[in-house]
Amino acid sequence: GQNIDQPTEMTATEGAIVQINCTYQTSGFNGLFWYQQHAGEAPTFLSYNVLDGLEEKGRFSSFLSRSKGYSYLLLKELQMKDSASYLCAVRGAGNQFYFGTGTSLTVIP
Amino acid sequence: DSGVTQTPKHLITATGQRVTLRCSPRSGDLSVYWYQQSLDQGLQFLIQYYNGEERAKGNILERFSAQQFPDLHSELNLSSLELGDSALYFCASGTPGGEQFFGPGTRLTVL
Repeated sequence: GQNIDQPTEMTATEGAIVQINCTYQTSGFNGLFWYQQHAGEAPTFLSYNVLDGLEEKGRFSSFLSRSKGYSYLLLKELQMKDSASYLCAVRGAGNQFYFGTGTSLTVIP
Repeated sequence: DSGVTQTPKHLITATGQRVTLRCSPRSGDLSVYWYQQSLDQGLQFLIQYYNGEERAKGNILERFSAQQFPDLHSELNLSSLELGDSALYFCASGTPGGEQFFGPGTRLTVL
């Protein structure tokens, strides 16, 4: 079966750096995606990794290691508006998406 | 505003009924994805279309079907509705680079 694991909840301080980990076991791999979702809103695409390494986009970076089945999302200079749920998803061999249950991040002053 | 539109915003119906959800992708995007989000099951991928053809299929029930029309808008048809089908249904349009843009969603309530 497909398995995507990420922590359920995390808390971090405004201005700090937080790393949200995601491990996966899927039949086939065609990319790993990170999304942000504020309560009551639609998800917003953050990043897409298909090759190993770090992809940086402003305050957000995403890392992938395919051999370890591991990714992380790094958020720098945390702001209160970063409080949201962060979803990790893997696109499998048949191009279907498998989602983790999401990590609820709370940023405190 | 993502540029993706979904109608209706809310839908309330009864068990056993059939409904159609509509999605218009961003101008220029050929891919449309459908997702279901419920409180107990999180976000689940249903199906993807690319330029009118089915590209990938996820956890989509046999009671559900979708299609993408020549003008690239897509419809998700849900039939023989059950209480458990109550959820948020999101559509997203995608670029060749993998980026996805989500619509605001349709909240379906089955009574």
